[in-house]
Amino acid sequence: DTGVSQDPRHKITKRGQNVTFRCDPISEHNRLYWYRQTLGQGPEFLTYFQNEAQLEKSRLLSDRFSAERPKGSFSTLEIQRTEQGDSAMYLCASSFSQEQGTTPAYEQYFGPGTRLTVT
Amino acid sequence: ILNVEQSPQSLHVQEGDSTNFTCSFPSSNFYALHWYRWETAKSPEALFVMTLNGDEKKKGRISATLNTKEGYSYLYIKGSQPEDSATYLCAFNAGNMLTFGGGTRLMVKP
Repeated sequence: DTGVSQDPRHKITKRGQNVTFRCDPISEHNRLYWYRQTLGQGPEFLTYFQNEAQLEKSRLLSDRFSAERPKGSFSTLEIQRTEQGDSAMYLCASSFSQEQGTTPAYEQYFGPGTRLTVT
Repeated sequence: ILNVEQSPQSLHVQEGDSTNFTCSFPSSNFYALHWYRWETAKSPEALFVMTLNGDEKKKGRISATLNTKEGYSYLYIKGSQPEDSATYLCAFNAGNMLTFGGGTRLMVKP
């Protein structure tokens, strides 16, 4: 399977714990995105990378959230001191763009998501 | 803040019925409009990426139209089947991220 993969698929954690999710994009894709979806809403943008560089972050991404893409391949999203409001589906997507940050990339391919439940 | 709205929020139809959903989006700073189908426990699946005003795209029994001047897109499903049951999402691309609508949840009864 050469699609976008995410791990784990489900995570249950207690309030105050730290969690880390991983995303493996399609191998030739240079852009990687994180979105969050809560019940009854559409996915909301969190952040995106072009290769290793994190080019944009949403105001939704509080200082408890950090994302990395150290070698321009897989990415991790860490949430520190989780709160019940962090319970959501975390989606990763990847795409290919020929030019640097300001040029939009059209096709975004999504992984199956990591469902986080904070108790 | 970009406002992307979809209607209806949910829809129940009988197998064989044809149906359509609406997505409205800002008419400025437009790069592309995306439609995705999202089945439970699966990845959102790209249906269409539409970039030009007046675009019409078709994939089997599903088609979509785009009006960028007035800021809307329609998705049509002809002869709905139970396997069409899913959430259909539209997303507005004004730059590097997608801004999604809330989705239309379609349930097709056999």
